[in-house]
Amino acid sequence: GAGVSQSPRYKVAKRGQDVALRCDPISGHVSLFWYQQALGQGPEFLTYFQNEAQLDKSGLPSDRFFAERPEGSVSTLKIQRTQQEDSAVYLCASSLGLAGGPGELFFGEGSRLTVL
Amino acid sequence: GENVEQHPSTLSVQEGDSAVIKCTYSDSASNYFPWYKQELGKRPQLIIDIRSNVGEKKDQRIAVTLNKTAKHFSLHITETQPEDSAVYFCAASYTGNQFYFGTGTSLTVIP
Repeated sequence: GAGVSQSPRYKVAKRGQDVALRCDPISGHVSLFWYQQALGQGPEFLTYFQNEAQLDKSGLPSDRFFAERPEGSVSTLKIQRTQQEDSAVYLCASSLGLAGGPGELFFGEGSRLTVL
Repeated sequence: GENVEQHPSTLSVQEGDSAVIKCTYSDSASNYFPWYKQELGKRPQLIIDIRSNVGEKKDQRIAVTLNKTAKHFSLHITETQPEDSAVYFCAASYTGNQFYFGTGTSLTVIP
């Protein structure tokens, strides 16, 4: 597709359920980021991939959060045993990741997770 | 790590007036400063960016200024229009591996 695609757009989970959020980045983009955006706040960094390598996961709030990008393209963010504080919009972004330095982030529409 | 602060959190202007949003950053190594616009329920989209080797950049009604010494950068929107109403986020990056975002400014342009 032409842009970053995320699914599902909306997810309602009961507390304790596991959820999986998918991100399909722009073809050829090396860098992929996951952000968490609470209502009225800016995006908070969760994790970063360069191709299939997860180079930074310092933003993952707990060991219940896990992300992967096994073939260097599609990425999945998994949240185990969801809790109410996990309710947020999860944004995926990709960029070319060229050696010339930081470049434009292209965001997906986000996955809005509501934990009841 | 980097800390980006953004002010004001809300801003209302009359149509045709100018709007200015300011951000400060803490890490002098940051060298890339993008601004994103996010309309309600939509994805953030880049509107303008600036790198540390320039002090100002302009694109039609939008301009960004950077003061590396003071570690702050600002977004200027002139001749505001109702369609400029949105939340604006500043960000800072120095490696391209992490982008640190401000908390956002909700801009309302009153017709």
